[in-house]
Amino acid sequence: SQQGEEDPQALSIQEGENATMNCSYKTSINNLQWYRQNSGRGLVHLILIRSNEREKHSGRLRVTLDTSKKSSSLLITASRAADTASYFCATDANDYKLSFGAGTTVTVRA
Amino acid sequence: NAGVTQTPKFRVLKTGQSMTLLCAQDMNHEYMYWYRQDPGMGLRLIHYSVGEGTTAKGEVPDGYNVSRLKKQNFLLGLESAAPSQTSVYFCASSLRRGARDTQYFGPGTRLTVL
Repeated sequence: SQQGEEDPQALSIQEGENATMNCSYKTSINNLQWYRQNSGRGLVHLILIRSNEREKHSGRLRVTLDTSKKSSSLLITASRAADTASYFCATDANDYKLSFGAGTTVTVRA
Repeated sequence: NAGVTQTPKFRVLKTGQSMTLLCAQDMNHEYMYWYRQDPGMGLRLIHYSVGEGTTAKGEVPDGYNVSRLKKQNFLLGLESAAPSQTSVYFCASSLRRGARDTQYFGPGTRLTVL
């Protein structure tokens, strides 16, 4: 079963705009990770945020975590064509198992 | 470093045939994982390994077997392929326990079972 659920399922934005996607989960977590998958490729790790952290930045990426609401958001600022991809959140179901959501597909239009 | 590599990239099987997918990593990672990805669903864990010579079942292990004879390699076997095993298979590795660490993914193997 999927622990994380991303919203929206798909997002289309103009180059230069910001993109925001959300992840909700059901049970308590130790950390939450975000991954990107370009079409036909493997997943690439973006950010890991721990349960005691509220916000984390990496370049144009900003991740927030609200454990009281069991939700996280990923913001991509000043989007580029290369940001076109699917984005997945993953939570720790146990020490070894990451539980992935179905993903948000982001299309950046030139 | 090549990172995580997977062989083959594509394969078509007939129902009942068998095959082995090979995953190799050159990062000296202890932990390795096999996932499958189906349309509209997130990745689901098939089997994983916490070290050489060890394997464990994940979320959807039925119909698959694995072996980790060498630290750098993790093999996924299908003994008698079924159409329900048509999927994209990803291998991943991590230095520490996967749920608390970054996982590094291979490029995937697209398998079709007719």
